[in-house]
Amino acid sequence: QSALTQPPSASGSPGQSVTISCTGTSSDVGNDNHVSWYQQYPGKAPKLIIYEVNERPSGVPDRFSGSKSGNTASLTVSGLQAEDEADYYCSSRRLFGGGTYLTVL
Amino acid sequence: EVQLVESGGDLVQPGGSLRLSCSASGFTFSSIWMAWVRQAPGEGLQWVANLNQDGKKKYYVDSVKGRFTISRDNAKKSLYLQMNSLRDEDTAIYYCVTDRGYDTFENWGQGTRVTVSS
Repeated sequence: QSALTQPPSASGSPGQSVTISCTGTSSDVGNDNHVSWYQQYPGKAPKLIIYEVNERPSGVPDRFSGSKSGNTASLTVSGLQAEDEADYYCSSRRLFGGGTYLTVL
Repeated sequence: EVQLVESGGDLVQPGGSLRLSCSASGFTFSSIWMAWVRQAPGEGLQWVANLNQDGKKKYYVDSVKGRFTISRDNAKKSLYLQMNSLRDEDTAIYYCVTDRGYDTFENWGQGTRVTVSS
């Protein structure tokens, strides 16, 4: 199976909102209620920030939210902060997206 | 606090073998699915293998089937990955992760680096 499709980069200014897409198929994202998102800083291990499409683990700021429509899942980061600059990966049915590097301008 | 500590990564020649270990603490190890996820240099994440609580159900990505074996020892709170017939493309950081269900990778170790090169 092919990896899920994410844009390689995204950017926004502090305080703005940014949305990162994750496109799969009806075999994964489209029929999966357990899409998850991970944040990874350079040289560090990934961290789970969204699970079950739109649930946040304890300690993850509510600026991070998830959604899904059809075969595409999305991660929205609201009120961008400098510390949000990182790689973001989506996952569904053991597949990962290629990652999106979020730059805070 | 959940802690996952990997070890065993090394430089190995193509065709060689390695055994990765992961020592777990801070949670009830025997009640959770576990997995290995890897990341090649400069690349994204790839699920490698996972197994259920008693170790009887095991699943692998196609590229490692027949070469890698995932296992666990609940008494020792440890997860293992036996890697045989290693290839250049197996070069990566290997992460030990807890699976909260439905392939959601909740807790991650710091990773152990495997380099396959002659």
